[in-house]
Amino acid sequence: EVQLVESGGGLVQPGRSLRLSCTVSGFTLSDYTLSWVRQAPGKGLEWVGFIRSKANGGTTDYAASVKGRFTISRDDSKRIAYLQMTSLRAEDTAVYYCTRMTFWGHGTLVTVSS
Amino acid sequence: DIQMTQSPSSLSASVGDRVTITCRASQGIYNYLAWYQQKSGKPPKLLIFGASTLQSGVPSRFSGSGSGTDFTLTITSLQPEDVATYYCQKYNSVPFTFGPGTKMDIK
Repeated sequence: EVQLVESGGGLVQPGRSLRLSCTVSGFTLSDYTLSWVRQAPGKGLEWVGFIRSKANGGTTDYAASVKGRFTISRDDSKRIAYLQMTSLRAEDTAVYYCTRMTFWGHGTLVTVSS
Repeated sequence: DIQMTQSPSSLSASVGDRVTITCRASQGIYNYLAWYQQKSGKPPKLLIFGASTLQSGVPSRFSGSGSGTDFTLTITSLQPEDVATYYCQKYNSVPFTFGPGTKMDIK
């Protein structure tokens, strides 16, 4: 059974960093492009970025709103994808989902506030 | 970047109604368009990809059509469990932008 489980969310002060994890099971992480999508409270979905499958080079792309601040990586041996977030802002407050398009985790809430 | 719009932003319909939601891209995206359903407090669920291909397990009352810039999601006979917000998403090139969503409820 395919599962994606996010973790690492919490309350963080503006300007600080936080790393989210997405632990997968039921499939080989490197075989798939994995995206991060976020949803601010009461708002719509926003694509954050993705890491391509190994076959497609394993490269990353990001939304303009997070480029230069967020980094996506993965550890295939641990079956974990990461979203490293730096210079966090209040507007980064959201539930963060990892997704393989057909499968989604349940999300982890990040709150950026002093 | 290509912008995605949806209409209407909200709609209320009766059980059994035929419902159509429109998604428009500011430039052509071929058929690289997905539709998602998101129920309150839950992650999104993929309904349709490739503009018209029904994801496995999704009821056949859902269908998608369109290509280029104009797309539609149709529910042929609305059911109470279809209360949700529906999003389109382009995935032909980055950024993989979502539409703003259409909130659907039952009259």
